[in-house]
Amino acid sequence: GAVVSQHPSWVICKSGTSVKIECRSLDFQATTMFWYRQFPKQSLMLMATSNEGSKATYEQGVEKDKFLINHASLTLSTLTVTSAHPEDSSFYICSARDHRGFHEQYFGPGTRLTVT
Amino acid sequence: AQSVTQPDIHITVSEGASLELRCNYSYGATPYLFWYVQSPGQGLQLLLKYFSGDTLVQGIKGFEAEFKRSQSSFNLRKPSVHWSDAAEYFCAVGGELGSSASKIIFGSGTRLSIRP
Repeated sequence: GAVVSQHPSWVICKSGTSVKIECRSLDFQATTMFWYRQFPKQSLMLMATSNEGSKATYEQGVEKDKFLINHASLTLSTLTVTSAHPEDSSFYICSARDHRGFHEQYFGPGTRLTVT
Repeated sequence: AQSVTQPDIHITVSEGASLELRCNYSYGATPYLFWYVQSPGQGLQLLLKYFSGDTLVQGIKGFEAEFKRSQSSFNLRKPSVHWSDAAEYFCAVGGELGSSASKIIFGSGTRLSIRP
């Protein structure tokens, strides 16, 4: 149980285009989902927290107009990287917290984004 | 706000030797503490967690960790490492559910290499 999927697992896009990454909780409902970014050989940096049906809360320094987050249902959150640049290339990982209030977060396998 | 420090960037141990990875946290109340492992190019796997109760926590793959409030530490240990334990290890801390500190923050990670 407690499986989180991400799609796609890897994506290559051209500079200036937008790319959407999906995060789904497969066997539980997630009131809260989190988006992290990880550069090579570095830690996970929290980008934003999204709660179902409300606006995401972004961490300091994260451009909300560039990284659009939508949490439309209890099982799906999306991250859209708009007008992508090569410096946006990174590993994006989502996690989901069970709606029953457990503190543990379940992590997706990550999405490797390469912007050319 | 909570924070986590992993003072060791890279550790190399011989196969069969014991292991201890250090983690220090900062949080004003009782923290929720986690250890995750990440293999190259992969997502995160939860090794163990501490929420309350017994300060010695057993996890998967033979790992254990001990919460020491007086030292603000949550070090990860394993009595005998295997070559398959080579990976990146992250300590993480979360605060009270429902509070602004409920998000999980990660340490910078410790890369573990195993010497044959």
